[in-house]
Amino acid sequence: GEDVEQSLFLSVREGDSSVINCTYTDSSSTYLYWYKQEPGAGLQLLTYIFSNMDMKQDQRLTVLLNKKDKHLSLRIADTQTGDSAIYFCAERRDTGKLIFGQGTTLQVKP
Amino acid sequence: DAGVIQSPRHEVTEMGQEVTLRCKPISGHDYLFWYRQTMMRGLELLIYFNNNVPIDDSGMPEDRFSAKMPNASFSTLKIQPSEPRDSAVYFCASSSTDSRAEAFFGQGTRLTVV
Repeated sequence: GEDVEQSLFLSVREGDSSVINCTYTDSSSTYLYWYKQEPGAGLQLLTYIFSNMDMKQDQRLTVLLNKKDKHLSLRIADTQTGDSAIYFCAERRDTGKLIFGQGTTLQVKP
Repeated sequence: DAGVIQSPRHEVTEMGQEVTLRCKPISGHDYLFWYRQTMMRGLELLIYFNNNVPIDDSGMPEDRFSAKMPNASFSTLKIQPSEPRDSAVYFCASSSTDSRAEAFFGQGTRLTVV
């Protein structure tokens, strides 16, 4: 199918690391993204990775890509209460089509 | 650029009425996407355009839904007739064919059909 799959909910304590996982379906995907959505707002790009990379680090964010298993993960180090939001992974196919997962709600407890 | 602009932000309508949602993409972007977000189904791609041409409308739920892009700076999503199950937040996004093809989202239109 066309689905991008994510777990729906993750709860962590402030200061811990958060890991959000995603599986996608199309081996032709050119870019993979992580978007963040805060309450009542649209989605904003958090980070992205090109399909020929296997890791990207950007400050507290680490993206890992396993192209063989079509698995993408986002690690947030030292998670803060301000990181509470919905996180979406997305794949951009070579046709230009952009497909999102259902979103993972991250709850950060003080 | 002001970003992707959607209107209205909120729409409440009665079942059976026609609803038109509007989107102005970022100038210079050649892709435009319409998504629907609900608690049950997450963020679903309804249709997307490239250079004003519809490329894939397989996500449009029924014939009651239609979308147009008459020019590079404007798109509409129409529901006629509307039903309570169409209640959702509808997002428009645009992107360009550049090095990372990031999609920029509008603030969304919250549609309630009563």
